Amino acid sequence: AQRVTQPEKLLSVFKGAPVELKCNYSYSGSPELFWYVQYSRQRLQLLLRHISRESIKGFTADLNKGETSFHLKKPFAQEEDSAMYYCALSSNDYKLSFGAGTTVTVRA
Amino acid sequence: SAVISQKPSRDICQRGTSLTIQCQVDSQVTMMFWYRQQPGQSLTLIATANQGSEATYESGFVIDKFPISRPNLTFSTLTVSNMSPEDSSIYLCSVNRGTTNYGYTFGSGTRLTVV
Repeated sequence: AQRVTQPEKLLSVFKGAPVELKCNYSYSGSPELFWYVQYSRQRLQLLLRHISRESIKGFTADLNKGETSFHLKKPFAQEEDSAMYYCALSSNDYKLSFGAGTTVTVRA
Repeated sequence: SAVISQKPSRDICQRGTSLTIQCQVDSQVTMMFWYRQQPGQSLTLIATANQGSEATYESGFVIDKFPISRPNLTFSTLTVSNMSPEDSSIYLCSVNRGTTNYGYTFGSGTRLTVV
């Protein structure tokens, strides 16, 4: 069975400071990992996919298979980054397993 | 990516009644899923809605409580039956085109309160 762990429930940073959201996973197969974001009063939306190796809104995430991690990083946090962030893993049958989520608050 | 319309957006229901939630997609999709998000918790997969056959339920969820229909490749319904206050949650529809290349798209959710 797969499992996604986000150890931080809440994360508060100052504007301009770096932010890192931790995500660890366990899965016996080859994982496909995602970060989803939910801004206040908006629907859940895809932020990053590990297979695309892209940077969205200044965020990056690298899959580390040795450490089974997929941490989300941004060097300079902005106030509009305040949101709930979910790490998710897709299994071979396309089912998504979500972590518990991390609420990020960026203070001015 | 696909655009999902989910209805109703919220409802307050009496215990013992049932509510049917609709999920309409603007294009044909291979995979449709239903999730539940209980207050203060993460998303939990209820079932995979299979077109033309019975839904596949996850552990802890049963068809009698959460009957699901999927008559075609663009539409699905989830019914929450014989509701109790413990069913108060956000219910979300999600779709995927059969590849994870595009990620998964989520509906806006249905916020259900059972009184």
